Amino acid sequence: GIQVEQSPPDLILQEGANSTLRCNFSDSVNNLQWFHQNPWGQLINLFYIPSGTKQNGRLSATTVATERYSLLYISSSQTTDSGVYFCAVIDYGNNRLAFGKGNQVVVIP
Amino acid sequence: DGGITQSPKYLFRKEGQNVTLSCEQNLNHDAMYWYRQDPGQGLRLIYYSQIVNDFQKGDIAEGYSVSREKKESFPLTVTSAQKNPTAFYLCASSRGQTGNTIYFGEGSWLTVV
Repeated sequence: GIQVEQSPPDLILQEGANSTLRCNFSDSVNNLQWFHQNPWGQLINLFYIPSGTKQNGRLSATTVATERYSLLYISSSQTTDSGVYFCAVIDYGNNRLAFGKGNQVVVIP
Repeated sequence: DGGITQSPKYLFRKEGQNVTLSCEQNLNHDAMYWYRQDPGQGLRLIYYSQIVNDFQKGDIAEGYSVSREKKESFPLTVTSAQKNPTAFYLCASSRGQTGNTIYFGEGSWLTVV
């Protein structure tokens, strides 16, 4: 199946800093989603971004499907940005989403 | 409000007991999923259902069972055959085939004592 790798696995940010999270995937995809899991476990869908760039407030994402990666940008980070960020792609071989292991982000005041 | 409701939020189970986790959605989604998450790990698929009265095993189905008698409901039973059931369980749904935007419930913490 498709392999999804996220980097860095852990990241500590000072409030107000910017950061970039990366998601690499091993096969061609036409579907990629980014999620944020807050410290209480709730998973929120951030972006559905098979290609191109999207922005939502201080977050933006870019997927370059031909090069098999996606980037999630966090600008002017806030403590509420803390949590784990997951990317997921569809694995057509077995018709399911394949998740990466996540980027653990801690934003300190 | 539209969404996915999981219950209970926290559950303790004695070894050897079965337990059922509830998942209800009012999003009119066809597809529903159950994932398991262990501390510091990603999500692993237990079971999924694309339509009513049909469901498929995921990557770690052993020791679990599901039913899909109604479109809105997809309960998960953790049986005594599951060797290490303590985990965080997430239910999700999507509009159609895998690949549409997927939405998650708030999760259920299961602890075996």
